[in-house]
Amino acid sequence: AQSVTQPDIHITVSEGASLELRCNYSYGATPYLFWYVQSPGQGLQLLLKYFSGDTLVQGIKGFEAEFKRSQSSFNLRKPSVHWSDAAEYFCAVGFMEYGNKLVFGAGTILRVKS
Amino acid sequence: GAVVSQHPSWVICKSGTSVKIECRSLDFQATTMFWYRQFPKQSLMLMATSNEGSKATYEQGVEKDKFLINHASLTLSTLTVTSAHPEDSSFYICSARALDRNSYEQYFGPGTRLTVT
Repeated sequence: AQSVTQPDIHITVSEGASLELRCNYSYGATPYLFWYVQSPGQGLQLLLKYFSGDTLVQGIKGFEAEFKRSQSSFNLRKPSVHWSDAAEYFCAVGFMEYGNKLVFGAGTILRVKS
Repeated sequence: GAVVSQHPSWVICKSGTSVKIECRSLDFQATTMFWYRQFPKQSLMLMATSNEGSKATYEQGVEKDKFLINHASLTLSTLTVTSAHPEDSSFYICSARALDRNSYEQYFGPGTRLTVT
């Protein structure tokens, strides 16, 4: 069955340091890929998405993600983290067999230390 | 663009009563809306998919008679939790798929915190 894995439940980085959040999926074809961010008690905000084309996509707030077909991964990166980036990040994947539904990873909580 | 609102943002109700949550797409038409439930420190769990003018499709294990979904227009879907119990307390989030966008792209509302006492 199709699945989405975010292996890191928590990540702590220092302000100004670089960040990489991992996302892997299990699927035979190329899915539609999304990263969302959620602040406590809030809904989800779309950071970026990949449908096709250039495998390095730029998003809002200085985030980028790279789709690697060979590794079935779509990792989120940011070169310099700000304290306001502390939140929970969800990778979501759209699989054709699931219709228009998205499958979410378990989420990664990012803590930023000063 | 692509703003989704939810009302109320939080609600407290007594056990046995029903509560309705509204999800509106403010600046686009949404043929499909999704309802999710999120428990503390957990991911989103899809409850049901609603299409305008037709019955909702519920995920396995979700009681359709308890969680009534109505999608009467292209901009409004409602979730009614009937005979609520404390175990229904959760964060409910809706999302909407725009008519003219990629079919997998969803725009999320800010969520509704339901507490059943």
